[in-house]
Amino acid sequence: ETGVTQSPTHLIKTRGQQVTLRCSSQSGHNTVSWYQQALGQGPQFIFQYYREEENGRGNFPPRFSGLQFPNYSSELNVNALELDDSALYLCASSLMADNEQFFGPGTRLTVL
Amino acid sequence: KNEVEQSPQNLTAQEEEFITINCSYSVGISALHWLQQHPGGGIVSLFMLSSGKKKHGRLIATINIQEKHSSLHITASHPRDSAVYICAVRSYSNYQLIWGAGTKLIIKP
Repeated sequence: ETGVTQSPTHLIKTRGQQVTLRCSSQSGHNTVSWYQQALGQGPQFIFQYYREEENGRGNFPPRFSGLQFPNYSSELNVNALELDDSALYLCASSLMADNEQFFGPGTRLTVL
Repeated sequence: KNEVEQSPQNLTAQEEEFITINCSYSVGISALHWLQQHPGGGIVSLFMLSSGKKKHGRLIATINIQEKHSSLHITASHPRDSAVYICAVRSYSNYQLIWGAGTKLIIKP
């Protein structure tokens, strides 16, 4: 059984660019949640996907979008990057939407 | 006022000390999570609880639903326990996790 994996581990982009972050959920998990963690702060909920449908969304603008695939892996896409998007992006998978979440190692995004 | 408040913000203690980290919340919840985050970002789920008390090794978590309060205790603390401990509550209405700001714990040998 493999845990949650994320790619890439680090990424540097410039303002205005677009980025795609990837997450492979733990085997058997059908729910993926994405979080943004700015330096020195707690994670903020971006959105959750359950069986390929968005199942809840936090207070993030539409330029943050996502996908979940039939194998339950997921992508987070951010368009028109801003400096404030620099953060650690965490993905977590769970068996169901309200179950315990298992976290990936995160992707650290730097926007210059 | 944040929906999830943790105290203390920072805690430094000597090895073997008994550690308590507190979490208070103001929203209706279906569950409360305690998580550990090491430098570099990796997050590990320690407990998920909705009532009573759970114990795992040297870690104990309690929750009082009426008072909307939870505590995480570490017995016989060790330098490897040094990390940020985060309390997060699962919103009753939409399963969203609402996070506290974390408690940075340093255990000195």
